[in-house]
Amino acid sequence: KNQVEQSPQSLIILEGKNCTLQCNYTVSPFSNLRWYKQDTGRGPVSLTIMTFSENTKSNGRYTATLDADTKQSSLHITASQLSDSASYICVVSVGFNDMRFGAGTRLTVKP
Amino acid sequence: EAQVTQNPRYLITVTGKKLTVTCSQNMNHEYMSWYRQDPGLGLRQIYYSMNVEVTDKGDVPEGYKVSRKEKRNFPLILESPSPNQTSLYFCASSPQWFDEQYFGPGTRLTVT
Repeated sequence: KNQVEQSPQSLIILEGKNCTLQCNYTVSPFSNLRWYKQDTGRGPVSLTIMTFSENTKSNGRYTATLDADTKQSSLHITASQLSDSASYICVVSVGFNDMRFGAGTRLTVKP
Repeated sequence: EAQVTQNPRYLITVTGKKLTVTCSQNMNHEYMSWYRQDPGLGLRQIYYSMNVEVTDKGDVPEGYKVSRKEKRNFPLILESPSPNQTSLYFCASSPQWFDEQYFGPGTRLTVT
């Protein structure tokens, strides 16, 4: 059932660098697409939420983009910090009883 | 402080011993949900509730029960836990199902 694929699985970058995480989905139509940040052993925290008609949404150094035609979303992190080390999860909401979770991208930011 | 709380945070139990994990939110949210998270599988929805007395199954409901007698509370019940229910459990709430969800801190359950 899982039709949300995230890439890469894991990523290591140096502090201060930018990075982009990908989310490809096959479900259609959908209500919204969400990005969450999850620190190890803690609950996910919402970063952005976009409806199918939105192209971009920012939250500080996090910018999510959505291309509904190609069914792709990306999360761009600018000027990474050590505290950005976490898993980032893409979620596509099809309906109230149908949320498709990606497996996540594990980001490590090194000094 | 607006939050979702879960108790207990850690639990080790034996096969067949009934247990309840509590979840409470103080944000007057309509929608609440339970998830389990396993390595390599990501988050999977167990049960959700659109409002008081309205609950329904998610992707992996087998072996679990829930109830929603009050808006703020959404307990997860394992009547007869088995080792395959060893997992990290999260409760979440949101104003409506399409809004951003607020997650609890998680409950790490081990069933031996």
